[in-house]
Amino acid sequence: IQMTQSPSSLSASVGDRVTITCRASQSISSYLNWYQQKPGKAPKLLISGASSLQSGVPSRFSGSGSGTDFTLTISSLQPEDFATYYCQQSYSTLTFGPGTKVDIK
Amino acid sequence: EVQLVESGGGLVKPGGSLRLSCAASGFKFSDYRMNWVRQAPGKGLEWVSSISSSSISIDYADSVKGRFTISRDNAKNSLHLQMNSLRAEDTAVYYCARLDYYGSGSLETILDYWGQGTLVIVSS
Repeated sequence: IQMTQSPSSLSASVGDRVTITCRASQSISSYLNWYQQKPGKAPKLLISGASSLQSGVPSRFSGSGSGTDFTLTISSLQPEDFATYYCQQSYSTLTFGPGTKVDIK
Repeated sequence: EVQLVESGGGLVKPGGSLRLSCAASGFKFSDYRMNWVRQAPGKGLEWVSSISSSSISIDYADSVKGRFTISRDNAKNSLHLQMNSLRAEDTAVYYCARLDYYGSGSLETILDYWGQGTLVIVSS
């Protein structure tokens, strides 16, 4: 299963609402996870099952979608949110999206 | 506290071999399926291999099948990746990651803990 993300990068300001889209090449139901990665660090799990926030993850992060189309939304971007975000499907052999880099405008 | 610590990375010539290790602590290692995920410099994440808790079930990405071998030693809480016939395109940071379940279904999986990674450079 191929995963795509859009945009590949975006520039935003603190306080902005940011939406990242992830699309699967076939239906994956809700077997979709989101990770955040900062430079030089390992990925960190944010959301599982398309919409379930992991413990300790700020509520400004939310996920939605099912089937082939998914979104990650950051309601009010904070300085610590500048990072690269990856979607990952668990419907079959694990695959990741190519990532969306969020940087400072 | 769950900890995963990779080691064994380094510089190797094309065609050479390298063995990566991941030392696990803070959880019952023998209960979890473990994975290797890699990231080429400046690129995205690529799942490499997975091994079940008892080593019965093993999977590989097509890109490494026949060249890499995953194994584990539950008595020593360690995960390994034997990499042979290395190519330039295998250059990457290699992460070990624990697979857990967020629900009751077999597909409801997450990679919930990751190591810090170990860098493998394949170059002449």
